[in-house]
Amino acid sequence: EPEVTQTPSHQVTQMGQEVILRCVPISNHLYFYWYRQILGQKVEFLVSFYNNEISEKSEIFDDQFSVERPDGSNFTLKIRSTKLEDSAMYFCASTEWRRGDEQYFGPGTRLTVT
Amino acid sequence: GENVEQHPSTLSVQEGDSAVIKCTYSDSASNYFPWYKQELGKGPQLIIDIRSNVGEKKDQRIAVTLNKTAKHFSLHITETQPEDSAVYFCAARAGSYQLTFGKGTKLSVIP
Repeated sequence: EPEVTQTPSHQVTQMGQEVILRCVPISNHLYFYWYRQILGQKVEFLVSFYNNEISEKSEIFDDQFSVERPDGSNFTLKIRSTKLEDSAMYFCASTEWRRGDEQYFGPGTRLTVT
Repeated sequence: GENVEQHPSTLSVQEGDSAVIKCTYSDSASNYFPWYKQELGKGPQLIIDIRSNVGEKKDQRIAVTLNKTAKHFSLHITETQPEDSAVYFCAARAGSYQLTFGKGTKLSVIP
């Protein structure tokens, strides 16, 4: 069964450093998302992406964040200058449906900012 | 924007009993309601979803009901098994692409 994959599974970084989280969406999916989950809290939407453009972003997704599809398979989330409050689990999701139905999530990357 | 409330936050049931988790949403434009199961250390797994033109949907031991008038939807798990133990999240989608999640319910099935 096709699945979304994410690397690394755990990333530790120092405050102020740049990090890139990587995702490989399901191959026939065209709509991609990043969500985050701070420990013990609800999953929160960050950004949606289609056709090499951001479709929608939340208030959390400020100028420190960027997304990119550098090739035909990878989808990345970059945090330019990490803060302690960026520590969270980051999930990538993808779907073949334009409306955003049936989003399939990856296993997540745990980001720890020290 | 959309707000989703989920209850209870924790639920313990005996193996073989039923479990019910309830969610309410605020945006009457919401038209898609998925449920996700999250096991420890894993990402949310889509287990069932319902669209606003349907009142109920079943998939083996899992069912979801939707009451659009009252703006609430529920997950029903029958004949619970220990492997059903996990955190369950409801979510809603209105006109945009994003899902808005509830806070989650930790379900424990006691053998």
